Amino acid sequence: AQTVTQSQPEMSVQEAETVTLSCTYDTSESNYYLFWYKQPPSRQMILVIRQEAYKQQNATENRFSVNFQKAAKSFSLKISDSQLGDTAMYFCAFMKQPQGGSEKLVFGKGTKLTVNP
Amino acid sequence: NAGVMQNPRHLVRRRGQEARLRCSPMKGHSHVYWYRQLPEEGLKFMVYLQKENIIDESGMPKERFSAEFPKEGPSILRIQQVVRGDSAAYFCASSPMGHTQYFGPGTRLTVL
Repeated sequence: AQTVTQSQPEMSVQEAETVTLSCTYDTSESNYYLFWYKQPPSRQMILVIRQEAYKQQNATENRFSVNFQKAAKSFSLKISDSQLGDTAMYFCAFMKQPQGGSEKLVFGKGTKLTVNP
Repeated sequence: NAGVMQNPRHLVRRRGQEARLRCSPMKGHSHVYWYRQLPEEGLKFMVYLQKENIIDESGMPKERFSAEFPKEGPSILRIQQVVRGDSAAYFCASSPMGHTQYFGPGTRLTVL
């Protein structure tokens, strides 16, 4: 079974600075997907970024980028130029390569990020 | 393109009553997933459905919980004879074939 570990329950950062959230996972699969989801106080789950394991290039979405280290089974999220609206819970999630259909997401316990003015 | 819709957003039930949670996937999405989030926890997978079929229910409690995704209409997560431990946020997600799942706003169930 796959597991996802987020070792930082809480983090804080000053507005406009950069912060990195950690995520490690355990799997015997060679093909899979990794995701970061954001859950602001509204509780809505919002997709931040996605990484395919077969791609060596790290995914980037505007101010959000990942550092994917497949051998180390590490998938960290970097937020640049932090904004107050980035305050949220951030969840790392793993999905096996779908075989014909789809697969469930396995989530970590989350990191609560606070951006301070 | 409307997102994943869930209703009700908040549901209060007394112990022993039934709870029905509804989810309408995004247009064009044929895969629906239900997840449960307990306070201060991440989301836990419950069930994965396609139209008229349950594909994976490995995360569903064996008793009192059921799910369906009929040919017409929304997916329904049904909890019979609710207990206080069922209080949680229940999220539905949908996807097209495989890969990225998009989440609804969730239903917060409170059992008194």
